[in-house]
Amino acid sequence: SYVLTQPPSVSVAPGKTATITCGGNNIGDISVHWYLQKPGQAPVLVIYYDSDRPSGIPERFSGSNSGNTATLTISRVEAGDEGDYYCQVWDRSSDQGVFGGGTKLTVL
Amino acid sequence: VQLVESGGGLVQPGGSLRLSCAASGFIFSDYWIYWVRQAPGKGLVWVSRFNSDGSDTNYADSVTGRFTISRDDAKNTLYLQMDSLRAEDTAVYYCGRGRVATFVDYWGQGTLVTVSS
Repeated sequence: SYVLTQPPSVSVAPGKTATITCGGNNIGDISVHWYLQKPGQAPVLVIYYDSDRPSGIPERFSGSNSGNTATLTISRVEAGDEGDYYCQVWDRSSDQGVFGGGTKLTVL
Repeated sequence: VQLVESGGGLVQPGGSLRLSCAASGFIFSDYWIYWVRQAPGKGLVWVSRFNSDGSDTNYADSVTGRFTISRDDAKNTLYLQMDSLRAEDTAVYYCGRGRVATFVDYWGQGTLVTVSS
């Protein structure tokens, strides 16, 4: 089955830029979606189709996808951006959803 | 928009449980509905998907043959029948909706299932 690899943790100072990667075999050929889950809460969609933002998600959140790596970028990071970020794809070969292991974003 | 899960609880290994996901605030029959679970302290894991017209379902390998997803559009409710439960099925189960087939655009708050003797 398809495997998505994320770094376990990323730390960034307030106001700086956070970059969270999601690795997968030829992931650039499929759509990647990103979710933020804050402690004790349900996940929230923050990026879909690689780089589109749902309404209500700040422009500071952006995404890209090419080759074997998809990237979520959060500019001008705020304390409220802390949480676990998950990438997700739909694996057409197995017709199943696949999540990455999650990346804990810490704002220093 | 609201998705409210219910039916979680403590069940013994080998037992059964049926989860419900009650939807409101949107046209239920226009959306794909998903179940995703999260074991304590672990990441998200996709469990099952039901398409919008009720003609197709998909399951993760780990639950195939044990879990059955169904929907009642008249009641705006999705169900997950879980049989032959195992300790490793212990998790918070989230339902979610998707306008398309490949991602969740809104999630419920989840219901905890604990499989233990």
